[in-house]
Amino acid sequence: KAGVTQTPRYLIKTRGQQVTLSCSPISGHRSVSWYQQTPGQGLQFLFEYFSETQRNKGNFPGRFSGRQFSNSRSEMNVSTLELGDSALYLCASSLSGAWMNTEAFFGQGTRLTVV
Amino acid sequence: GENVEQHPSTLSVQEGDSAVIKCTYSDSASNYFPWYKQELGKRPQLIIDIRSNVGEKKDQRIAVTLNKTAKHFSLHITETQPEDSAVYFCAAISPRGDRDDKIIFGKGTRLHILP
Repeated sequence: KAGVTQTPRYLIKTRGQQVTLSCSPISGHRSVSWYQQTPGQGLQFLFEYFSETQRNKGNFPGRFSGRQFSNSRSEMNVSTLELGDSALYLCASSLSGAWMNTEAFFGQGTRLTVV
Repeated sequence: GENVEQHPSTLSVQEGDSAVIKCTYSDSASNYFPWYKQELGKRPQLIIDIRSNVGEKKDQRIAVTLNKTAKHFSLHITETQPEDSAVYFCAAISPRGDRDDKIIFGKGTRLHILP
């Protein structure tokens, strides 16, 4: 059974550009959540999608957006990149969004560097 | 808002000794507390978890204890080995319906096992 796949693994972008990251969940999983990981802040929740609908959202500016497709694959987009957006972006998939009832699995992440 | 405090941020332990990492949460509705291990360059992986109706859980060299009254829970690793070197994250999860949770992570503890 394939795990959670994130592409690309590494990205270098310049300030002001935009970027799209992709997450393919485990087959059958309908919930995909996104996290930003930085050394100082740890894992910070961005948003969660379930059945193509954004169900929950963290405290990030509107430059961060996402979507989910009918096959549960999810993308997140960051527009007008800032240096502070440099981070490891992780997605996690689960059957539902209830991690207590169904284990969540992380992808390996996309490391974004903004220069 | 709700948060999870994790301490220490860095921990160095002699191989063979024990390591303890502590987390304190604020949301009294939290009822599930997983711990994740993230080795360098790899994805976070669930290593142990505990539910609010249990005070302690053990899996070989790893144990987790929960004090609901004090709202804190701890990860205990005994007989540490070099492969235990990693970043460890705690999380506090509060249910939001049957298929949705609120998940807050601690900022992580970097554990170094010294030879």
